[in-house]
Amino acid sequence: AQRVTQPEKLLSVFKGAPVELKCNYSYSGSPELFWYVQYSRQRLQLLLRHISRESIKGFTADLNKGETSFHLKKPFAQEEDSAMYYCALMSRGNNYKLTFGKGTLLTVNP
Amino acid sequence: ETGVTQSPTHLIKTRGQQVTLRCSSQSGHNTVSWYQQALGQGPQFIFQYYREEENGRGNFPPRFSGLQFPNYSSELNVNALELDDSALYLCASSFGSSNTEAFFGQGTRLTVV
Repeated sequence: AQRVTQPEKLLSVFKGAPVELKCNYSYSGSPELFWYVQYSRQRLQLLLRHISRESIKGFTADLNKGETSFHLKKPFAQEEDSAMYYCALMSRGNNYKLTFGKGTLLTVNP
Repeated sequence: ETGVTQSPTHLIKTRGQQVTLRCSSQSGHNTVSWYQQALGQGPQFIFQYYREEENGRGNFPPRFSGLQFPNYSSELNVNALELDDSALYLCASSFGSSNTEAFFGQGTRLTVV
């Protein structure tokens, strides 16, 4: 069975501080990991995926297969980063479902 | 290019009733997935439709069923509603069943009383 764990329900930082949102996963195959973000009153949207190895809005995430982690990082948080962040894992094969964690609410204080 | 739209945005139903939720996929997308998001939880996969066929199902009972139409829009039907069915129902569309870039609708908030 696949599972995604986001250990922090809430995370509060000050503007300009580094931020790290933790994500651990459990999956028997080769995982494909994503971070989705939901800003206030907006729909859920893709932030980044590990296969792209991109930096989006200053955020990066590295897949660590040894630690089964996919933590989201940003060196200098901005107020506009305040949002709900979900880590998700996609299973390949017959059922391309996304399994989401419970989410972390990030608040960036001025 | 239009995004994913869901209707209605809010709905109140009584326990035991049936409900139909609708989703119009993004232009050019042929795959629709449905998710249930209970309060304080992440979205949970219900099922996926690809080219009008069910292409995968999560751990939901048979009273959750769906359809996809030739224009790739989709419906989620829930029979014999229970109080625990109260949740935000999300639809996501993508091109191809691999779902690597799913675009979500704004959701339908269902309340069962």
